[in-house]
Amino acid sequence: EIQLTQSPFSLSASVGDRVTMTCRASQAIGTNLNWYHQEPGKPPKLLMTAAHRLQDGVPSRFSGSGSGKDFTLTINSLQPEDFGIYFCQQGYGVPFTFGQGTKLEIE
Amino acid sequence: QITLKESGPTLVKPTETLSLTCTFSGFSLTTSGVGVGWIRQPPGKPLEYLGVIYWNYNTQYRPSLRGRLAITQDVSKNQVVFTMTNMDPVDTATYFCAYHITGPYYFDCRGQGTQVTVSS
Repeated sequence: EIQLTQSPFSLSASVGDRVTMTCRASQAIGTNLNWYHQEPGKPPKLLMTAAHRLQDGVPSRFSGSGSGKDFTLTINSLQPEDFGIYFCQQGYGVPFTFGQGTKLEIE
Repeated sequence: QITLKESGPTLVKPTETLSLTCTFSGFSLTTSGVGVGWIRQPPGKPLEYLGVIYWNYNTQYRPSLRGRLAITQDVSKNQVVFTMTNMDPVDTATYFCAYHITGPYYFDCRGQGTQVTVSS
């Protein structure tokens, strides 16, 4: 089973800030990495697939990069609706697995 | 527009069998590459992959839960049924069904999920 480790566990930031979070896989997974955003009490929302491909309707302030084992999600100019938990998920091998999440909080 | 909606009991007793239905629209489960997956989230915990059924009726289950899970589909009703036997309090979670396609193998949850509590 491929393990995904996200860091940091949590971070605080202010509206307008730029933030970066990472997801590291226990083995190389190519670019088979998807990102989700979850607000409290809501289902996870698919943000990005294949490490960098934004889903329709996702603002361009979100960007993703990486391949192999190390991946990064960057949010430029944070907006109030961006706070919540971000999860990564690998689609390289079964069973599919999720990271433990990075909680983004308002500073 | 793709929609999915989970339905089923909110409370089950330990050792009972949980059965959830996912009713979907906006796509066909007969289209090559398409699947419906199930994930869950215990309170305050991360997402956990459970299993998926594909357009060709192939299924894949989380190994640690294999033997307890079954996912079937009724193409005529645009429904997928998720069954988990021998429920335990640790299975208390919100259960989501999701649109899933091969290639990127992502899980696109378009419904609110259904909260299931396991308690006597």
